[in-house]
Amino acid sequence: DQQVKQNSPSLSVQEGRISILNCDYTNSMFDYFLWYKKYPAEGPTFLISISSIKDKNEDGRFTVFLNKSAKHLSLHIVPSQPGDSAVYFCGGGGTSYGKLTFGQGTILTVHP
Amino acid sequence: GAVVSQHPSWVICKSGTSVKIECRSLDFQATTMFWYRQFPKQSLMLMATSNEGSKATYEQGVEKDKFLINHASLTLSTLTVTSAHPEDSSFYICSATVYAYTEAFFGQGTRLTVV
Repeated sequence: DQQVKQNSPSLSVQEGRISILNCDYTNSMFDYFLWYKKYPAEGPTFLISISSIKDKNEDGRFTVFLNKSAKHLSLHIVPSQPGDSAVYFCGGGGTSYGKLTFGQGTILTVHP
Repeated sequence: GAVVSQHPSWVICKSGTSVKIECRSLDFQATTMFWYRQFPKQSLMLMATSNEGSKATYEQGVEKDKFLINHASLTLSTLTVTSAHPEDSSFYICSATVYAYTEAFFGQGTRLTVV
């Protein structure tokens, strides 16, 4: 039972344009959602989070949108930069802080 | 943000031997640490939750006798892969949480190769 799904294994975007990464979940008990960025052979680094009581959270170039009725969240990166090229994981968490269920990841490639 | 250090970054071991991976929270005390495993082109899968001073809680399908977890202090958790086999080759990552923060801080990961 895959509770968090990222259906797009990869995404290619031109520098300066918008990157939109999508994530679907099935567990309605998740209290919060997070996006992590991961480079090869490194651990994930936290990017942005959103509580289940909100529908949008913004931090610089990164904005996360949450649609609870659709059980869908998305990460928008504007403008995209080559340094954003990495694997992006979305994760959901409940009342047990730090215990996260991740999607499969989406490889983002930003071309100069 | 809080720093989590994992050691070693990579290790190669012979089949049948045991390998210990350390996860340290450098600038905070972590009552809870988590161990994940990532196979190539797959997601991070939670293996176990490690609480300081108590036994770890393992996820379904993870052999507790094979993956020994010790969380003896508030800054250190260790994962020992016992009697390693080639199929245990993977990327192991730990994370730690700070009370009242929902985000988890990850170590840099350990690439284990069993030959």
